[in-house]
Amino acid sequence: EAQVTQNPRYLITVTGKKLTVTCSQNMNHEYMSWYRQDPGLGLRQIYYSMNVEVTDKGDVPEGYKVSRKEKRNFPLILESPSPNQTSLYFCASSLLAGSITDTQYFGPGTRLTVL
Amino acid sequence: GQQVMQIPQYQHVQEGEDFTTYCNSSTTLSNIQWYKQRPGGHPVFLIQLVKSGEVKKQKRLTFQFGEAKKNSSLHITATQTTDVGTYFCAGSRGGSNYKLTFGKGTLLTVNP
Repeated sequence: EAQVTQNPRYLITVTGKKLTVTCSQNMNHEYMSWYRQDPGLGLRQIYYSMNVEVTDKGDVPEGYKVSRKEKRNFPLILESPSPNQTSLYFCASSLLAGSITDTQYFGPGTRLTVL
Repeated sequence: GQQVMQIPQYQHVQEGEDFTTYCNSSTTLSNIQWYKQRPGGHPVFLIQLVKSGEVKKQKRLTFQFGEAKKNSSLHITATQTTDVGTYFCAGSRGGSNYKLTFGKGTLLTVNP
């Protein structure tokens, strides 16, 4: 089954404790992306990647890191989480069709709470 | 930076009424995508528009992309309770810019 998986689905942590949220897709998609969703702010793109070893900043990259060592995986790293990073995080992937992305498939989401 | 404004923020309708949400970008877009998110769920892709003035239909849903490629709309005819959710538009400038900017969404509730 074609899907995007994220782990963990729920995480409660404390300020400053490094964490990684994993994202994996089985559709051989070039484009992968991370978003955060906050009430009243909608979805905001954190980072995206057009292919292995190619990443770029979205609208809200501060406090986050990503890596794309393999095509299927795109982990999101919070080196020193702070309470303002409490949010619902979505990973997504799509094929690239020339200069635009194709249908984006979203993962189920990771609800992160930073105390 | 690129901004995508979406209105209205909320819309409550009686079942059977029509619904429209509008999306406006501060810059010309290469493409615009529409998503639906049910309460507690993840965004689900509905459609992508690429051409200036494009109109696409999916059953009771009609999507339009403006001539200037800076605005778009989603119209639902004769809403049903299954249409409940938040509808988002998302645009990209294209070229070497693959950043995708989402509108804040319109929450649609339908009274049976």
